[in-house]
Amino acid sequence: GQQVMQIPQYQHVQEGEDFTTYCNSSTTLSNIQWYKQRPGGHPVFLIQLVKSGEVKKQKRLTFQFGEAKKNSSLHITATQTTDVGTYFCAASSYKLIFGSGTRLLVRP
Amino acid sequence: DAGVIQSPRHEVTEMGQEVTLRCKPISGHDYLFWYRQTMMRGLELLIYFNNNVPIDDSGMPEDRFSAKMPNASFSTLKIQPSEPRDSAVYFCASSPEGQNTEAFFGQGTRLTVV
Repeated sequence: GQQVMQIPQYQHVQEGEDFTTYCNSSTTLSNIQWYKQRPGGHPVFLIQLVKSGEVKKQKRLTFQFGEAKKNSSLHITATQTTDVGTYFCAASSYKLIFGSGTRLLVRP
Repeated sequence: DAGVIQSPRHEVTEMGQEVTLRCKPISGHDYLFWYRQTMMRGLELLIYFNNNVPIDDSGMPEDRFSAKMPNASFSTLKIQPSEPRDSAVYFCASSPEGQNTEAFFGQGTRLTVV
């Protein structure tokens, strides 16, 4: 079945440093979604990318969808302690399959 | 809208007992999903419904698990008999148009089977 690989598994950064997580699919995706889960919380939708090569920004967050629609990335500029949590990509072909997530820890 | 509502928030039960998890999706959402989250396996899709009909239950681990959606505002996930390896956080989510739209998650039910 469809698999979505996400790296890295963990990232520990100093506040103010940048952070990137990568998502790769074994198949072409119709779209990709990104979610954030705070510790002890539930996944919360961040954004959806649909078009090949699409780039979207939300304040300090930049999301990209690969040209082949098989990979995606989330980049956070100048991390803050409020960015702490696990970031998931979710591949949406015929059903929503979540990646393994990248847990972000930020040292104040 | 209060969002997706799950109950109970926490459940501790003994091995062999029946467990029923409940979910009320957001009104008007046609799709409902059940996910299980563990450290080892991450977020796994167990089953999803469209207009109260189960569409894909290939993620249901075994016959001990069953899910129903008797009407548009209520769904249950039942485990019988429960085993310690079923311990996890179970999330219910709903979305207005299925896979290509945002999924709204409930707070989850943390299940511990001892």
